[in-house]
Amino acid sequence: AQSVTQLGSHVSVSEGALVLLRCNYSSSVPPYLFWYVQYPNQGLQLLLKYTSAATLVKGINGFEAEFKKSETSFHLTKPSAHMSDAAEYFCAVGESGGGADGLTFGKGTHLIIQP
Amino acid sequence: NAGVMQNPRHLVRRRGQEARLRCSPMKGHSHVYWYRQLPEEGLKFMVYLQKENIIDESGMPKERFSAEFPKEGPSILRIQQVVRGDSAAYFCASSPTGLDEQFFGPGTRLTVL
Repeated sequence: AQSVTQLGSHVSVSEGALVLLRCNYSSSVPPYLFWYVQYPNQGLQLLLKYTSAATLVKGINGFEAEFKKSETSFHLTKPSAHMSDAAEYFCAVGESGGGADGLTFGKGTHLIIQP
Repeated sequence: NAGVMQNPRHLVRRRGQEARLRCSPMKGHSHVYWYRQLPEEGLKFMVYLQKENIIDESGMPKERFSAEFPKEGPSILRIQQVVRGDSAAYFCASSPTGLDEQFFGPGTRLTVL
């Protein structure tokens, strides 16, 4: 069985500050890990994914995440927050590269950007 | 290439009615997934279909819910005799081969009165 825990349902940062969104997972098999972003009333957009290659993954919009097996973590970071980053962020785990099964999602973290 | 399309975007039903949610995958995608998002919750996997086949329905409630993906036309998620607890956002995702990332549609927001 797989599970995802996102620490902090709401995270608030100032514009220009570091963004850190936490994600811890559990999986009985080597995991594939994903971060999605959801803007209001829209579907989910893939930010980045880890599929057992490099442990530091770079995604779109300046986001990156590091897979740490020893900590079972896949935290999402961005060096400098922008107002347009305000959205809901979901961490997800799967047993394949992204499509061979359903993904297990965390409850999401709402990112608030203070001007 | 148009993205995943879902309709309707908003659906209101009274208790006991039927809800039909449609999903048209991206062109060339033959794998479809349905997820449900309850308020303040993450997405929960419901069912995974390929053309004319249900591959994994482990997340589907045992009663009142069904899904299909016919040879022609969109995938349909059908909820019979809706109850208030069915109120949620239902998202569809598609994938070209089942081994690639899933592309999500904008969702259908179902409200049961």
